[in-house]
Amino acid sequence: DAKTTQPNSMESNEEEPVHLPCNHSTISGTDYIHWYRQLPSQGPEYVIHGLTSNVNNRMASLAIAEDRKSSTLILHRATLRDAAVYYCILRDWTQGGKLIFGQGTELSVKP
Amino acid sequence: DTGVSQNPRHKITKRGQNVTFRCDPISEHNRLYWYRQTLGQGPEFLTYFQNEAQLEKSRLLSDRFSAERPKGSFSTLEIQRTEQGDSAMYLCASSQGQSNQYFGPGTRLLVL
Repeated sequence: DAKTTQPNSMESNEEEPVHLPCNHSTISGTDYIHWYRQLPSQGPEYVIHGLTSNVNNRMASLAIAEDRKSSTLILHRATLRDAAVYYCILRDWTQGGKLIFGQGTELSVKP
Repeated sequence: DTGVSQNPRHKITKRGQNVTFRCDPISEHNRLYWYRQTLGQGPEFLTYFQNEAQLEKSRLLSDRFSAERPKGSFSTLEIQRTEQGDSAMYLCASSQGQSNQYFGPGTRLLVL
């Protein structure tokens, strides 16, 4: 399974943008890049995913490098409720449905 | 709210006892997944079902663990002869095919 590397922790101020990086140098052509987050005492929740092009949804944006070896999750205006562990996951769509989580980035948001 | 539900939310048991957890997926979802999460770590995949068929099992799923989804709806995860190392959060998720997975709140198990 392809691996991802994320910083262990990041800090942000409320209402400022946050850029969460992820390196995935061994990504294969069939890997989608997924982001999930886990709020304290809850199960993970889907945030966004993409293959090659940048993606936007109501929660966040995903910027994917041209060589696909890295990506960045962008929260445009962090709120206190965005404090969570963010997981960058490579999901091979040909290999069933399981998600392989790393340790993720713990994001703290200061008021 | 018709999200994924798990019961019980918390379970304390003594070493050597058997425990069973239940997961009710989102009703139209044909896939159901079990994960385990220990403190400070990301969730680890255990097994998944497509309808009632168990399609993949992780090496983490020792012979003390068994999962079923008899009618392709709810699922149970049983741990026999629990050990202290089984203490963890057990998470269930469901999806329609390979679409995004929706997770339940988890069952926190403590083995004394």
